[in-house]
This record gives sequence, structure tokens and C-alpha cells, in this order.
Amino acid sequence: DQQVKQNSPSLSVQEGRISILNCDYTNSMFDYFLWYKKYPAEGPTFLISISSIKDKNEDGRFTVFLNKSAKHLSLHIVPSQPGDSAVYFCAASPNTGNQFYFGTGTSLTVIP
Amino acid sequence: NAGVTQTPKFRVLKTGQSMTLLCAQDMNHEYMYWYRQDPGMGLRLIHYSVGEGTTAKGEVPDGYNVSRLKKQNFLLGLESAAPSQTSVYFCASSYPLMVLYGYTFGSGTRLTVV
Repeated sequence: DQQVKQNSPSLSVQEGRISILNCDYTNSMFDYFLWYKKYPAEGPTFLISISSIKDKNEDGRFTVFLNKSAKHLSLHIVPSQPGDSAVYFCAASPNTGNQFYFGTGTSLTVIP
Repeated sequence: NAGVTQTPKFRVLKTGQSMTLLCAQDMNHEYMYWYRQDPGMGLRLIHYSVGEGTTAKGEVPDGYNVSRLKKQNFLLGLESAAPSQTSVYFCASSYPLMVLYGYTFGSGTRLTVV
């Protein structure tokens, strides 16, 4: 059973606007949450993370929000750029940190 | 360039054949992982290692074996390949206790079993 879910397989956004990617999880024991970005024929690259003791983490144009009561996290990209077009995966782990569960990914297209 | 290198990048196997996928990292990471990516399934952990000489099962370990004889290398073996093992395989590595810095992934091995 999928413990981490990304219910939107794809998203299209105009350049300069906000992109919001969503992720839901079912395991209340998850403590660490990461977002990865993946281009075709490449491995995923780490983007941003958050631990369960925080509800927001910001890094430049990227912000991750965590709502523990709803078991939901989101990634905001502002402003979106064409180079942001990629597949985004969220991942979650319990406090051991050595076994991350990945969502199925959301393909983001930023239209110039 | 420092990073995670996977060998080979592509491979076609016949059902029942065996093969070994090699992962090498030069970042002195303690932890190493093997994931597989399938359409609609995301990345699923096969096996992982928290140090030289140690291995542990992940979500989908059946049909695979691993070895970590040297800190920098993590091998994934398929003893008798099956069409269900057609997938893209990713190796990753990380430092312990630096979970929030994420993993470094290799570029993947695309395996087709016919």
C-alpha cells in the first residue's frame, strides 16, 4: 500500500506564476520529508527538506509546507521558471532516516 | 566529478539470466541504497546498507541480493532475472545523521528482461 501519495500526475503553470505540488502520507511515524527533482535520463536530485518539528522551510524560490495533522505537505515554487520543468518526487521517512518512501511523482511543465 | 556512478547504464537480459549492477561512490558516504522506479509506482527501496559489510532489506527485496564488501561499492545482483524485474534501477548514497540533506543518486540503469 502506497504510504506516500502524489495525486496529481502532472501540472502546467505559466512562467512567473506559482507552482504548488502536493503530497499526502499515511504513516504518522514519518519525521523527515524531502522533495527531489528529476530530469529525464538522470537520477533524482535533492531539492529541499523539512522535519516534523517545523511547518515551513524556505530556500530561495522553493518553500515546503508541512501540515502534520492533515498528513500533507506541499512544495511552492515562486516564481516558476522553464528550467523548473521536471518530475518532482516527495519522500518521507521515520526517524531512523535510512528508509525513505517515495511518492509517484508530479510532472511539472512551466510554459514560457 | 564526485558522485555516484552506476554500471552499466543499459542492459537487456533473457529470463533466467543473472547479472550484477555496480554502484560506486567517492564521497565517503556510509549509507548506500538501491531503488527501482516503475511507471505509476514511484521509487521503491530494494536493499540498503548502513556501512561496509552490512545490508538490510527494503520494501521490495525479493529476487535480489546485495553486497557491500567495500565502503565505496554497493552491488545489486539478480540471480535469475524475471520480466517483472524490468525497471530503472537507481543507486544512492548519504551520510548518516544528515537525513535532511538528502541522498545523492546515480543516473540509473535501465534493465529490460525479455
